[in-house]
Amino acid sequence: KAGVTQTPRYLIKTRGQQVTLSCSPISGHRSVSWYQQTPGQGLQFLFEYFSETQRNKGNFPGRFSGRQFSNSRSEMNVSTLELGDSALYLCASSLGRTGTGLYEQYFGPGTRLTVT
Amino acid sequence: AQSVTQPDIHITVSEGASLELRCNYSYGATPYLFWYVQSPGQGLQLLLKYFSGDTLVQGIKGFEAEFKRSQSSFNLRKPSVHWSDAAEYFCAVVPGSNFGNEKLTFGTGTRLTIIP
Repeated sequence: KAGVTQTPRYLIKTRGQQVTLSCSPISGHRSVSWYQQTPGQGLQFLFEYFSETQRNKGNFPGRFSGRQFSNSRSEMNVSTLELGDSALYLCASSLGRTGTGLYEQYFGPGTRLTVT
Repeated sequence: AQSVTQPDIHITVSEGASLELRCNYSYGATPYLFWYVQSPGQGLQLLLKYFSGDTLVQGIKGFEAEFKRSQSSFNLRKPSVHWSDAAEYFCAVVPGSNFGNEKLTFGTGTRLTIIP
C-alpha cells in the first residue's frame, strides 16, 4: 500500500506571496492532519479534516487554511507569506474519525517551504 | 499546563549499547501514547503506540516502550542500537479526557547520535 505523499517536496517563495501544498493520504484513510515543524517551535498541529470537514484546528492565524476533497486528498494554503512561515509542513493520515483510528497517524515526507 | 516532556535534547550511545529515551506527560487521565522517529529530511515514522492493556509495548525495529502510570512516563528502549538508529525521536500524546476532540501533542524530541 502506498504511503502518504506530499507535493511539492521543496518550495521557495517570497514574502507576501501565497502557497498551496498538497497531500494524498494512504488509500482508505479518511482523516488528514497537517503539522508545521520548525527548529524553534517543534511540531505544531495546524488542522485536521475528515470527510471534507475541518474537525479540529490549532493556534495559527487565519492566513493558514486547508480543505479536503471527496477522495480524501487535502490541500493547505498559506496566504501573505511571512519569513516565519519557513518550515517543514507535514501531512498525516489516519483511518477514522475518533479514538484509536484517528490518532494512529502516518506521516508523509513533508514539504520544505522557504520564504525569502 | 498539560504537556509532554522529553528531558534529553541529545543522547550519544555507542553502537551495540542499550538505549532508553525518556518521555513524561502531565495529563490527568490515561492518554494515548506514541513514539515516532524522524531521519534527516524525512517525515515521521510510527515506532509504537499504547492505547490500553499491556503496559509493555513492542514496536518496529526492535524498539519497546513501557507505560508507567505512577510515573506518568512512556520511555522508549532498545537493547542494542545500530548505526541506522541515529535519528530524532519524538514522543506524542493525546490527552485521555476527550478522545475525538483532542490533538496529537508532540514532545520537543531527542536527537540520538550513535558512535562506532
